Amino acid sequence: GAVVSQHPSWVICKSGTSVKIECRSLDFQATTMFWYRQFPKQSLMLMATSNEGSKATYEQGVEKDKFLINHASLTLSTLTVTSAHPEDSSFYICSAKGGGRGNIQYFGAGTRLSVL
Amino acid sequence: EDQVTQSPEALRLQEGESSSLNCSYTVSGLRGLFWYRQDPGKGPEFLFTLYSAGEEKEKERLKATLTKKESFLHITAPKPEDSATYLCAVGNAGGTSYGKLTFGQGTILTVHP
Repeated sequence: GAVVSQHPSWVICKSGTSVKIECRSLDFQATTMFWYRQFPKQSLMLMATSNEGSKATYEQGVEKDKFLINHASLTLSTLTVTSAHPEDSSFYICSAKGGGRGNIQYFGAGTRLSVL
Repeated sequence: EDQVTQSPEALRLQEGESSSLNCSYTVSGLRGLFWYRQDPGKGPEFLFTLYSAGEEKEKERLKATLTKKESFLHITAPKPEDSATYLCAVGNAGGTSYGKLTFGQGTILTVHP
């Protein structure tokens, strides 16, 4: 399978600060990357879809100004949680598809964000 | 709106006790039915994708099947290391939903030695 790297795996920050999470496809060019959020014992909730060189498309109810997504290259997408608050604490997971692998999304290992 | 329902929510098996997980779905235009495995604190790991009714795929002790309304993940003679949450997802072929996956709630599988 394809390899998607996500960094950091765990981050703690103070309320009001911003946090950046990186998602890299290591062995294929990702034409599309996705960002999900997962609450404990719940399934994945899609936050946004990003295509390389284009603005991200956000799902209904997701604040664009709070969750900034950049997909500047075919191997890197970033999610910045701006002015984080305790309610933003969650498990964030990215996925990538492309490189001739059809519609299969390959996932990173996730980032646990804790906002104090 | 695409919907995916998985059952049971949790399944406890003894090692060697075969069983099946169910995934029922409704989607406007199916572009793949996907099975993933997720271990605690990790991202989902891709297992299978099925595209048309009647299709089957196997990998070690796992076998996935697909009909027009549901998919089954059969686990034969499971081992403790098969314990994980198994997620089912459907891909949408149409319009603005193209390429997106809609996930079910998952089935938590526990295999006791």
